Amino acid sequence: NAGVMQNPRHLVRRRGQEARLRCSPMKGHSHVYWYRQLPEEGLKFMVYLQKENIIDESGMPKERFSAEFPKEGPSILRIQQVVRGDSAAYFCASSPARQETQYFGPGTRLLVL
Amino acid sequence: GEDVEQSLFLSVREGDSSVINCTYTDSSSTYLYWYKQEPGAGLQLLTYIFSNMDMKQDQRLTVLLNKKDKHLSLRIADTQTGDSAIYFCASARTGANNLFFGTGTRLTVIP
Repeated sequence: NAGVMQNPRHLVRRRGQEARLRCSPMKGHSHVYWYRQLPEEGLKFMVYLQKENIIDESGMPKERFSAEFPKEGPSILRIQQVVRGDSAAYFCASSPARQETQYFGPGTRLLVL
Repeated sequence: GEDVEQSLFLSVREGDSSVINCTYTDSSSTYLYWYKQEPGAGLQLLTYIFSNMDMKQDQRLTVLLNKKDKHLSLRIADTQTGDSAIYFCASARTGANNLFFGTGTRLTVIP
């Protein structure tokens, strides 16, 4: 029973490029959460999605960041025109239903040069 | 929003017990979680406790919850070098979709 999968595990981008981070939830989970972890800090919530719907994006920066969770395929977190401050670890979690235990993926570590 | 606080560092000798503490501010917290993060890895769910419980034990792990003081602790008995990691406390709150995380406690186990 595979856990939450994320890819790539490491991503290097130059300033101004786009970053696409993918997350496949655990089997049977239809709720996906994205968190960001800046160096030496805890995780901060970004966005919560169910299949085809963004439920809560209160933690998402208003510009350059977007997320989707299509009917088929993984959830995608997209960062356009990356800046150095976007360098962080991005974690995806999934749960079987709202407000149930969240299980985390291994994260994608984004480095912006 | 919710504030969750933890001390940043803890060092213990192998074989001793470790106690990692966490305080939170929101009294409507429903579940409280402990996650473990090893270097370069994701978060592994260790254990959780529902807010109407005082204690939960799972093998070497004991979670204590003082709801009046909004204080949570994780005790690891017979700490091993493999327990060296960052431990995050997180709370779930009624009506909120996300977890609120502390900054993490870096546990170092000295052989």
